[in-house]
Amino acid sequence: GNSVTQMEGPVTLSEEAFLTINCTYTATGYPSLFWYVQYPGEGLQLLLKATKADDKGSNKGFEATYRKETTSFHLEKGSVQVSDSAVYFCALRNAGGTSYGKLTFGQGTILTVHP
Amino acid sequence: DADVTQTPRNRITKTGKRIMLECSQTKGHDRMYWYRQDPGLGLRLIYYSFDVKDINKGEISDGYSVSRQAQAKFSLSLESAIPNQTALYFCATSDFDERSKSYEQYFGPGTRLTVT
Repeated sequence: GNSVTQMEGPVTLSEEAFLTINCTYTATGYPSLFWYVQYPGEGLQLLLKATKADDKGSNKGFEATYRKETTSFHLEKGSVQVSDSAVYFCALRNAGGTSYGKLTFGQGTILTVHP
Repeated sequence: DADVTQTPRNRITKTGKRIMLECSQTKGHDRMYWYRQDPGLGLRLIYYSFDVKDINKGEISDGYSVSRQAQAKFSLSLESAIPNQTALYFCATSDFDERSKSYEQYFGPGTRLTVT
């Protein structure tokens, strides 16, 4: 079956530090990959996505590249802000079959950014 | 106004009680989902529905039931609540996006349920 593994958290950084949150996956076929963000007290919001190998998703200064050879989709940001403090979820969606449209999530990584 | 709403936002109930969580959407999407979130486990799918006449079990459906009353409404019930059902519950919707040629899910704000 499908699975998503994220790096263990929590992650604590100072403002303007570089961020990497690792994500690797196991899936059949060619899944789409996503990063969702959950700010305190809110639901999940789509941060970025990539639908095929070597695609790079980007939004709000965050980036992630779909690496099929290493089955990875690591999230990066060059300079984090206090407002980036949230929980980040990596997820995949199968490309077809009866599970079409369903998401498989990683366990989430808590990010705290200090001034 | 939010596109996906959940009621209640917080609920404390006792073991053995029946409880219903409700989800409504104004996005006009056919597909709706219920997830639960537990610390360190991410989100796990409980049930999903691809249209009003379609209900499917997810990976952790035991102890839960759902009702798709209309395209816009999808309710989750706990027939006899137990403490290990204490969690954050999310409803989501999705539909095919012609521009991106893919499905994307939109989440409600969540319902925090505590079973004592």
